[in-house]
Amino acid sequence: EDQVTQSPEALRLQEGESSSLNCSYTVSGLRGLFWYRQDPGKGPEFLFTLYSAGEEKEKERLKATLTKKESFLHITAPKPEDSATYLCAVQSAGGFKTIFGAGTRLFVKA
Amino acid sequence: DAMVIQNPRYQVTQFGKPVTLSCSQTLNHNVMYWYQQKSSQAPKLLFHYYDKDFNNEADTPDNFQSRRPNTSFCFLDIRSPGLGDAAMYLCATGGDRPNQPQHFGDGTRLSIL
Repeated sequence: EDQVTQSPEALRLQEGESSSLNCSYTVSGLRGLFWYRQDPGKGPEFLFTLYSAGEEKEKERLKATLTKKESFLHITAPKPEDSATYLCAVQSAGGFKTIFGAGTRLFVKA
Repeated sequence: DAMVIQNPRYQVTQFGKPVTLSCSQTLNHNVMYWYQQKSSQAPKLLFHYYDKDFNNEADTPDNFQSRRPNTSFCFLDIRSPGLGDAAMYLCATGGDRPNQPQHFGDGTRLSIL
């Protein structure tokens, strides 16, 4: 059964303190792994898509990487405005079904 | 800006009273998704449409139904809401291929009295 597990559940950082969020997945034939950002009371906002092991994507202070078993979202020198829940999702070779992880709630203190 | 709009943002209904949530899109995407998200949990896919082709997830309760009268609009009907159906309901659209990112609305927060 396809599964996505994110860790840690919550992460508290000081402004400028870099860290990484983990997304471990089990899926039959990965079609794509997605990272989204979700602010309270809002819908998820797309950040990155990764398709194959070894791929990396960057956007401002965020960098996503992918291996055959997990993905990392690296946050470099975070700012308070980076505080949000970061969701990881996968789609398998089975079609449009999308499985999300429960997310990592990031708090960045000034 | 092209977008996904959900109405209403907040909905209160009574136990057992049918409720309909709506979603519209200006992205002209063929695929539309409905998710249920409970507090601090992962969004859970209920069903999706590819054009007019409806695809129900195996574990979606029969209490949940959907309609898509045209490309732009999609509705989620909950026939007899129970207390356990209180959640955020998210609508999303996506491109024709499964490995394309989804674009979400801001959701409808459903409360059951």
